[in-house]
Amino acid sequence: GAVVSQHPSWVICKSGTSVKIECRSLDFQATTMFWYRQFPKQSLMLMATSNEGSKATYEQGVEKDKFLINHASLTLSTLTVTSAHPEDSSFYICSASFWGTGELFFGEGSRLTVL
Amino acid sequence: QQPVQSPQAVILREGEDAVINCSSSKALYSVHWYRQKHGEAPVFLMILLKGGEQKGHDKISASFNEKKQQSSLYLTASQLSYSGTYFCGTVNAGGTSYGKLTFGQGTILTVHP
Repeated sequence: GAVVSQHPSWVICKSGTSVKIECRSLDFQATTMFWYRQFPKQSLMLMATSNEGSKATYEQGVEKDKFLINHASLTLSTLTVTSAHPEDSSFYICSASFWGTGELFFGEGSRLTVL
Repeated sequence: QQPVQSPQAVILREGEDAVINCSSSKALYSVHWYRQKHGEAPVFLMILLKGGEQKGHDKISASFNEKKQQSSLYLTASQLSYSGTYFCGTVNAGGTSYGKLTFGQGTILTVHP
């Protein structure tokens, strides 16, 4: 089946630093990828829709200047958490939709801890 | 708006059955079901695209009632490996973003020996 790879799987950083998370579709081209955030014992909340070659579409309440999304190619989308603070600590998961079946494939997730 | 799942939690013994429901206040194009183990990303179970569609594999199946804007996930003869949090994800009818899912709050399923 289609595979989406996410890196890093976990990261610990100091408050005020920026962190980049990569999401790659390994065996299919993903014109659209999605970024979700999940706090402990909560559901996945969509942060933004990442479109190849164009600006990302952010959900209401998500700061676009804080969560920078770049979708430079058909297989790579990146999420940069700028000036991270402890409240940004969360599980960030990317996904890509496989047009053939409509399945949404998730990356392994990246656990961010901001100290 | 987030679909509503019920129940919030289920505790079973191996071999017992369970039903998890997902209800939306909006007309739906599709319903997706995922299972998530602790600390891991969600794993795709199935997608239902048509009203009245039913799908299944092994002992896990699902139905989609388009008119009622509801879907149900059926787990029969549960196994220990079924434990996890189950999420339904919905795509609204007429949506412009393919694959943009809104997830329910999740149902925690625990299967004991």
